Amino acid sequence: DTGVSQNPRHKITKRGQNVTFRCDPISEHNRLYWYRQTLGQGPEFLTYFQNEAQLEKSRLLSDRFSAERPKGSFSTLEIQRTEQGDSAMYLCASSSWMSFSTDTQYFGPGTRLTVL
Amino acid sequence: KQEVTQIPAALSVPEGENLVLNCSFTDSAIYNLQWFRQDPGKGLTSLLLIQSSQREQTSGRLNASLDKSSGRSTLYIAASQPGDSATYLCAVNAQGGSEKLVFGKGTKLTVNP
Repeated sequence: DTGVSQNPRHKITKRGQNVTFRCDPISEHNRLYWYRQTLGQGPEFLTYFQNEAQLEKSRLLSDRFSAERPKGSFSTLEIQRTEQGDSAMYLCASSSWMSFSTDTQYFGPGTRLTVL
Repeated sequence: KQEVTQIPAALSVPEGENLVLNCSFTDSAIYNLQWFRQDPGKGLTSLLLIQSSQREQTSGRLNASLDKSSGRSTLYIAASQPGDSATYLCAVNAQGGSEKLVFGKGTKLTVNP
């Protein structure tokens, strides 16, 4: 068990460019979450998947953002036409969910995005 | 809407001191509450998870308590060490649906040698 991994760890891009981040969850985990964290703030929920289905999206997730989890394994988060306000740490977490049971969410190291 | 508040925002203590970090939340309908540690520029490390039916959890020098009815939790750190310096985040797991975590802004702890 290598934990949750995220790539790249850092991304610097120019305003207007598209970027894509990848998250590989812990292998047996069926839930995957994306959060965004800006400086001095706690992480804020963006979206989550149960297996391959995207079940909830936050109002923070504008139409420039899209997330996928093909085959219920890794997930990608794409931001189109990046804006300076998108600069943040993007965190991925995974958990093992069963009915009437909750488990700890395990977080990856994050991808730090800087939009110039 | 669930809101989580952490007090104080920053805390500086000498090595060896016992300390308490506070967390409050506005909606008592939670599945559980978690305390995380975050080092600068890094991801989150889970420290303790307290289910809504529990009153406290302990791990080593850490003890977390939960008073669900009053919407409060505390994280007690005994015999603090410089290696404990980090930001500590409290998060509640909202009931129903996604079980997304709602975080406070954190308490930045500095333990001075």
